[in-house]
Amino acid sequence: NAGVTQTPKFRILKIGQSMTLQCAQDMNHNYMYWYRQDPGMGLKLIYYSVGAGITDKGEVPNGYNVSRSTTEDFPLRLELAAPSQTSVYFCASNLEGAHNEQFFGPGTRLTVL
Amino acid sequence: AQSVTQLDSQVPVFEEAPVELRCNYSSSVSVYLFWYVQYPNQGLQLLLKYLSGSTLVKGINGFEAEFNKSQTSFHLRKPSVHISDTAEYFCAVAGPGANNLFFGTGTRLTVIP
Repeated sequence: NAGVTQTPKFRILKIGQSMTLQCAQDMNHNYMYWYRQDPGMGLKLIYYSVGAGITDKGEVPNGYNVSRSTTEDFPLRLELAAPSQTSVYFCASNLEGAHNEQFFGPGTRLTVL
Repeated sequence: AQSVTQLDSQVPVFEEAPVELRCNYSSSVSVYLFWYVQYPNQGLQLLLKYLSGSTLVKGINGFEAEFNKSQTSFHLRKPSVHISDTAEYFCAVAGPGANNLFFGTGTRLTVIP
């Protein structure tokens, strides 16, 4: 099993550009999550999904969009990138519910200039 | 709503010395508590979790944590640290039936040879 994979690993965007961060898992997990990690701030939840076709906002959803058309994939879309979106983005998945262990991908480091 | 506070942003400790990383939580209901570890340039991985039952929880790599309801704490301990324990450690909380976790700001543990 590859676990949770994320692409790309690094990306530099100009202000106003758009991009999609890809996330895939091969563990047949229902729940998937997108976090951003900023120095000294811990992880903040952007969006999560409890199954294909179902998504919900987390703590910091502004400036992002998600979709979940399959169990395996959970892409994160940035529209009109801003310097405040410079961060490391982590995707995670688990079987069901917050009480279960979350499995994290290796992260995507995004810089917006 | 739930939240966690990690009281120390950085903890330096000599190799083979004991260490305690502190975590306090805030919640008006019963909670699930977690410790995750992040090694440099990697995603997070679960160290241990408390869902119910025994208040002393043992995890991987010799770590343990004690749930203290009266002090609303979930401190992480290891009796003798190794160089390889150098990493960032995150405490996290979730309420029963919740879909997502709330993470603390992290504690960077540096083990000094």
